[in-house]
Amino acid sequence: DTAVSQTPKYLVTQMGNDKSIKCEQNLGHDTMYWYKQDSKKFLKIMFSYNNKELIINETVPNRFSPKSPDKAHLNLHINSLELGDSAVYFCASSQEVAAGSYGYTFGSGTRLTVV
Amino acid sequence: AQSVTQLDSQVPVFEEAPVELRCNYSSSVSVYLFWYVQYPNQGLQLLLKYLSGSTLVESINGFEAEFNKSQTSFHLRKPSVHISDTAEYFCAVSVAAGNKLTFGGGTRVLVKP
Repeated sequence: DTAVSQTPKYLVTQMGNDKSIKCEQNLGHDTMYWYKQDSKKFLKIMFSYNNKELIINETVPNRFSPKSPDKAHLNLHINSLELGDSAVYFCASSQEVAAGSYGYTFGSGTRLTVV
Repeated sequence: AQSVTQLDSQVPVFEEAPVELRCNYSSSVSVYLFWYVQYPNQGLQLLLKYLSGSTLVESINGFEAEFNKSQTSFHLRKPSVHISDTAEYFCAVSVAAGNKLTFGGGTRVLVKP
């Protein structure tokens, strides 16, 4: 199936741990994104990569580090996890940099719970 | 920078009744507008979008939205809702040449039998 897939779907971990979330798209898109959805459902962009190059880096703690080994993958690594990192993280992709004209295709999300 | 305001955080509605979800945006340049739907425990799916041309856009499942430039609005409507329309709905905006979608806070639609 063509899609944006994220793993894991659920992640429960203790404060201070380091964890990674993986994202892969097989749509042939050039641009990938990470969004954070908080407990109030508010969605905020974190990062965007175009052909492995970082193009958006919003105000995100440097404990969060995205890595794009190729244009089909965008992983998110989080160091020293804090309680406030608990959220649903969505990966998305779009057909070209001017994503406004096409919108995004979203993954199903990774629910991160820090205890 | 652009911003999006969804005026209602929650809209309860009875089955087969009409529903309207309000969305206003702010931008100093031309924008593209989107509505996304998020069903429980799922990712976001594109419902419809306005890029240019006719200000009224429709989705395949009966939703429609109208772009109103003078009022900077992109309200979403459906004349008769189903139980299956229960979901969170997000309005989003992107500048015409940009690559970032900015989302509103979402409106939760709860359809009651």
